[in-house]
Amino acid sequence: KQEVTQIPAALSVPEGENLVLNCSFTDSAIYNLQWFRQDPGKGLTSLLLIQSSQREQTSGRLNASLDKSSGRSTLYIAASQPGDSATYLCAVDGDTGFQKLVFGTGTRLLVSP
Amino acid sequence: DADVTQTPRNRITKTGKRIMLECSQTKGHDRMYWYRQDPGLGLQLIYYSFDVKDINKGEISDGYSVSRQAQAKFSLSLESAIPNQTALYFCATSEGLGQYFGPGTRLLVL
Repeated sequence: KQEVTQIPAALSVPEGENLVLNCSFTDSAIYNLQWFRQDPGKGLTSLLLIQSSQREQTSGRLNASLDKSSGRSTLYIAASQPGDSATYLCAVDGDTGFQKLVFGTGTRLLVSP
Repeated sequence: DADVTQTPRNRITKTGKRIMLECSQTKGHDRMYWYRQDPGLGLQLIYYSFDVKDINKGEISDGYSVSRQAQAKFSLSLESAIPNQTALYFCATSEGLGQYFGPGTRLLVL
């Protein structure tokens, strides 16, 4: 059974810092991996999706990498801002491609002005 | 207007009551999903549907049922609510790559 772990569970940084969030998964046979952002009282917003054949994806100040063989993904946030404060979730889709996502427990990020 | 909507947004009910959570989408996606999220835990898949005639159980389907009334509508029912079903419930849709989530329904079962 696929298990997804995110470290750290919580992170507090001053504005402007670059930071890395980690996601690990136990079964390397994945179809893709998604990073989401969750704000209190709101749904999940998809940030980046990396397909199994890809090594990384970039969107603005965000960069996500994927190493399937080691079962790891990282989300890099450059020049963090208070508006980046949220919970970040990673989720993996098994190799069926049916989008039956298995989620990690998330990293709660607080960026202070 | 939001692409994926959920009603109600908040609900308080009592043990033993039947309750229905509704999800509608305007994205035209065939695939729809129901998840629950408990504090400090990730989302867990309850049910999913790939089209109107296709319903599948997820990891934690016991105590829940679903109905796919149309391509755009997917409802989740708790036939007899119990306190450990208190959680945040999310609906999601997919076209096959990536998922799009609704705002969630916060359910409290007393």
